[in-house]
Amino acid sequence: DTAVSQTPKYLVTQMGNDKSIKCEQNLGHDTMYWYKQDSKKFLKIMFSYNNKELIINETVPNRFSPKSPDKAHLNLHINSLELGDSAVYFCASSFGLGAYEQYFGPGTRLTVT
Amino acid sequence: AQTVTQSQPEMSVQEAETVTLSCTYDTSESNYYLFWYKQPPSRQMILVIRQEAYKQQNATENRFSVNFQKAAKSFSLKISDSQLGDTAMYFCAFIPPFGNEKLTFGTGTRLTIIP
Repeated sequence: DTAVSQTPKYLVTQMGNDKSIKCEQNLGHDTMYWYKQDSKKFLKIMFSYNNKELIINETVPNRFSPKSPDKAHLNLHINSLELGDSAVYFCASSFGLGAYEQYFGPGTRLTVT
Repeated sequence: AQTVTQSQPEMSVQEAETVTLSCTYDTSESNYYLFWYKQPPSRQMILVIRQEAYKQQNATENRFSVNFQKAAKSFSLKISDSQLGDTAMYFCAFIPPFGNEKLTFGTGTRLTIIP
């Protein structure tokens, strides 16, 4: 019954490693997002995809690469992890772009040591 | 660029009381949408309420209501009869109606309901 799911929920890794976070939604939405929430709880969008097409690409280091194999999935791959990448990453989805309600996943807490 | 400001980093209130969280925003758009999201300790982001700028009537969802003042660019959230489960971070968010626009969040207000 989970609407937007993310795996893993917790990820602890060392600097320099490469890791991926997976997101899946079963709501039939065509738009998906990645957000980053820093230690001060500030939420900021990283990417958005609509029908597998990249729409929003904020000023994110190119070590971060999103991939959308289909409308129900949006994965985030991070290369050469740095200490500053430690944060909670949220996936979200919506019906279309713009002002539609976004449904969030449970978040993935990434800790880089 | 749009900005969203939440001037109250933390608030606390006794259970069953009413509390109002403030939010102001800056935009040159005439039409847009505003949201309040709740993030309890479980970390899950939950939509509380949604307001369309062209609607003059304030949105209401059960114990949650907003006071939308378009001219003042203010969008406050009122929680009536507060409950322990209302303890959470509350985020105000803004988005223009255009397709490639992004949802901009405020810095959040940490609300604690005291038993």
